[in-house]
Amino acid sequence: NAGVTQTPKFRILKIGQSMTLQCTQDMNHNYMYWYRQDPGMGLKLIYYSVGAGITDKGEVPNGYNVSRSTTEDFPLRLELAAPSQTSVYFCAGENSGANVLTFGAGSRLTVL
Amino acid sequence: GQQVMQIPQYQHVQEGEDFTTYCNSSTTLSNIQWYKQRPGGHPVFLIQLVKSGEVKKQKRLTFQFGEAKKNSSLHITATQTTDVGTYFCAGPGTTSGTYKYIFGTGTRLKVLA
Repeated sequence: NAGVTQTPKFRILKIGQSMTLQCTQDMNHNYMYWYRQDPGMGLKLIYYSVGAGITDKGEVPNGYNVSRSTTEDFPLRLELAAPSQTSVYFCAGENSGANVLTFGAGSRLTVL
Repeated sequence: GQQVMQIPQYQHVQEGEDFTTYCNSSTTLSNIQWYKQRPGGHPVFLIQLVKSGEVKKQKRLTFQFGEAKKNSSLHITATQTTDVGTYFCAGPGTTSGTYKYIFGTGTRLKVLA
């Protein structure tokens, strides 16, 4: 099992550009999450999903969108990149009721 | 809104010294998890506590859940350089359980050889 896989690992964007951070998992996680972690800080929840076709906002959803067309994939979309979105983004999965999050390796995004 | 705070924010110890981080929630938690994030890495699950007053051990690590289920602690005995990293606690958003996990602010541990 590959676990939770995120791509790309690193990306530099210009202000106003758009991009999608990919997250895929092969651990049958029905719950999936996107967090951002600013330098030296904790994790803030952006969006989460409890199953295919179901998504909901977390603490800091502004400027982002998600979709969950399949159980395996949970991409995060940035429409108009801003410097405030410079951060490390982590995707995580969970099997319902387990209360254990499995994180991907992260995607480091810089917006200039 | 609900907050989960951790103290201290940073801790530098000499190798062999003990280390403790404390996690305090503004609301009662149905369960709490602890994660470790190595520098440049991603959070990795360590343990989950569910019962009031529960104590669990993993080798040199001792985890405790408070009687009121609003606080928790992680104690490391005789730290090693491999213990370096940031330790986070996390709990569900309400006592009834939720899909939204609230992460603590983290304690960054540095171990000096």
